[in-house]
This record gives sequence, structure tokens and C-alpha cells, in this order.
Amino acid sequence: GDSVTQMEGPVTLSEEAFLTINCTYTATGYPSLFWYVQYPGEGLQLLLKATKADDKGSNKGFEATYRKETTSFHLEKGSVQVSDSAVYFCALRVQGAQKLVFGQGTRLTINP
Amino acid sequence: DGGITQSPKYLFRKEGQNVTLSCEQNLNHDAMYWYRQDPGQGLRLIYYSQIVNDFQKGDIAEGYSVSREKKESFPLTVTSAQKNPTAFYLCASSITSNTEAFFGQGTRLTVV
Repeated sequence: GDSVTQMEGPVTLSEEAFLTINCTYTATGYPSLFWYVQYPGEGLQLLLKATKADDKGSNKGFEATYRKETTSFHLEKGSVQVSDSAVYFCALRVQGAQKLVFGQGTRLTINP
Repeated sequence: DGGITQSPKYLFRKEGQNVTLSCEQNLNHDAMYWYRQDPGQGLRLIYYSQIVNDFQKGDIAEGYSVSREKKESFPLTVTSAQKNPTAFYLCASSITSNTEAFFGQGTRLTVV
């Protein structure tokens, strides 16, 4: 079946550090890929997406590239801020499938 | 303002009581979803609906029920048959079942 595996957290970094959160997937068909962010006590917000191989999604300084050859969609940011502290979810949706499949989430804490 | 509204934000119920969580969207989206989130875990799909008067079970539908009488509304009832109902419940919608989903702010249900 379809599945998403994220790097285990929690991840703790200092402000202005470089961030990578790894995400790999298994899909029965051709997936679209997403990163969502969840701030404490809130719902999920779509951070970025990519719908085909080699697409790069970007938003608010975050980037992720759809790598079909390695079945990966790693999230990166060059210089993190305290306000980036949240839980990040990688997700996929296979064309024609009814649901989003989520990874388990990675909790990120940025210290000043 | 367009969006998804879940109410209430916090809900307390006694064991053995049914409780209904509200989800309303004014985005004119066809598809709506209910997910359950437990601490430190990803999201699990409870029910989804692609169109009015139609819905399907997700991965963990036992002990839950839904209705979709109006396009903008998709209420979730947590019944007394749900063995472990205390969780964070998230409602989402998408334009179709093939596009990204947008989430409400969630309802935290505590059963005592």
C-alpha cells in the first residue's frame, strides 16, 4: 500500500541553522507530495506541494524537491527561526485515490 | 473569509455518551474528510465524502458515524461504541478528491 516515512524527531536546532527533514514514500501509483505544518493546538496548514517528478515546491523559505528516483521529498530551509517551531508532516496522494496518506510527523524546536 | 470551521475547540463528555463534532466549510469544496490525531502520531482517516449524500469509511471508522446532507457540512458523531475516543479530531476539505486538502483548527475531545 501507500506509505510515508519521515525522520524521527524531535529535532532541536539553534536559530539560523540549516534544516533538513527527510521524507521517503512508497506509492502504488503516481503521487502528488505535500508538506503540512501544525503549530501547537491548531490544525494543519499546507506548506508546499509538488505534483510531478523534479518539481520543487517552495514557501516561506522552505523548499522540497520531488525525487522520483529516490522516492523522496525532503524538506529544507537555509536559516530557521524560532517561529518555525512546529510539527511537520509529509503526505502523499496517489492519483485517483480518495485520501491523503501522512507520515508520523516530525517535531521541530528552534532555540534562540 | 473562506475557510473550514470546526466547533467546539474543546469538548468534554462522559463515557457512554454520544457526541457530535461540527465541521462547516464555505470554500465550495466537493470533498470533505475527518481525521483523528493521537499524541506523537500521524493522522488516521475516519470517514470521507466526495459529494453530498455520499460517504465512505476510512481506516478507523468503527465507533463513528457521519452525514453529508449539505455540501458545506460534514458532522462527525463519536458513539459510545468507540473504545478510546479521547483524541484531537481534524476536519478537512478539498476541491475534488484529487487535490490538496485544507484543514480546520481541530476539536480536542476528552472523554472522562
